[in-house]
Amino acid sequence: DTAVSQTPKYLVTQMGNDKSIKCEQNLGHDTMYWYKQDSKKFLKIMFSYNNKELIINETVPNRFSPKSPDKAHLNLHINSLELGDSAVYFCASSQGDGRSMKAFFGQGTRLTVV
Amino acid sequence: DAKTTQPPSMDCAEGRAANLPCNHSTISGNEYVYWYRQIHSQGPQYIIHGLKNNETNEMASLIITEDRKSSTLILPHATLRDTAVYYCIVRHYNFNKFYFGSGTKLNVKP
Repeated sequence: DTAVSQTPKYLVTQMGNDKSIKCEQNLGHDTMYWYKQDSKKFLKIMFSYNNKELIINETVPNRFSPKSPDKAHLNLHINSLELGDSAVYFCASSQGDGRSMKAFFGQGTRLTVV
Repeated sequence: DAKTTQPPSMDCAEGRAANLPCNHSTISGNEYVYWYRQIHSQGPQYIIHGLKNNETNEMASLIITEDRKSSTLILPHATLRDTAVYYCIVRHYNFNKFYFGSGTKLNVKP
């Protein structure tokens, strides 16, 4: 069983569209994250949720809206997609309130905006 | 979080120990050292972490200098599957986020 799973794995879409990426973890963790890895391979944290509550929002444009229906899921919705949004997006989870930081990452969603 | 400095790349022969250094000269007393790796654009994988003492697990050993300003990740018997980018991260224990730097690309060669 995959611990942290993301769908879709690949996403190609046109500028201006709205898209969602889904993430689910079956580890029973309380904290979930979204990271973005750009073309230069830098990984940057975007959001963190603990027990469905937003605890980190790293100056991400408000076109990005995370939603956590329950603590096992953290979805990422992106409005009005721009070329610069092209990247690999990773979901992750960790136990407790996130301070342990032994995080488990999903396999990533490669988003290409054309 | 303290800044870390790692060499951009290293080579290692298969079967030999890989020693990956990391400088974190501005580390504070409450900051842990974490190591993750990313194999060919897969999701990052946790390896090990420590505060002061040396640590060992089934994947690697972490050696932290006494002044805590640098550390070394040791893969005792590197295999081709260990080829990856290795990230050294320093993070305050009370902060629930951490920042990845540019890492070290380890090339394990036959």
